[in-house]
Amino acid sequence: GIQVEQSPPDLILQEGANSTLRCNFSDSVNNLQWFHQNPWGQLINLFYIPSGTKQNGRLSATTVATERYSLLYISSSQTTDSGVYFCAVQKAQGGSEKLVFGKGTKLTVNP
Amino acid sequence: NAGVTQTPKFQVLKTGQSMTLQCAQDMNHEYMSWYRQDPGMGLRLIHYSVGAGITDQGEVPNGYNVSRSTTEDFPLRLLSAAPSQTSVYFCASSYYRTGELFFGEGSRLTVL
Repeated sequence: GIQVEQSPPDLILQEGANSTLRCNFSDSVNNLQWFHQNPWGQLINLFYIPSGTKQNGRLSATTVATERYSLLYISSSQTTDSGVYFCAVQKAQGGSEKLVFGKGTKLTVNP
Repeated sequence: NAGVTQTPKFQVLKTGQSMTLQCAQDMNHEYMSWYRQDPGMGLRLIHYSVGAGITDQGEVPNGYNVSRSTTEDFPLRLLSAAPSQTSVYFCASSYYRTGELFFGEGSRLTVL
């Protein structure tokens, strides 16, 4: 099946710093999403971005489908950005219905 | 809108007991799915459904049953609970199979 690798696995920042999270995947995809799991366990959809660039406030994401990676940018980080960020992809070929998750990047933002 | 609602939020079972985790969505989504989350393993797909009357297996289906009699509901049944099924379970839905996915708040299950 499709492989999803996220880096770095852990990231510690001071409030106000910027960061880039990476998601590499092993096959062509027709679906890529970024999620944030907050410290209380709630999973929030950040971006639906199978290709191109999107921005939402301090967060933005870029997917370069031809090179099989996606980047999530967090600017001017806040303590509320802490949690785990997951990338999830769905293989384009073969009609698979399965959205496969990476193991996540754990972000800690210190005040 | 309530979004995706899961019940119960917490449950403790003894080995061999059966139970059902309930999931309901009020967004008229065709696609629904169940994931389990274990430390260091990320989220793994258990079962999914692309519409009422249609279900299929994910990565880790053994020990679980699902049904989809209505668009709104997608219950997950544990037939004979085992300690290996101790996990946090998430239900999720989207308008179509490749659409933006919305999660419920999760159900923490402990099997003793």
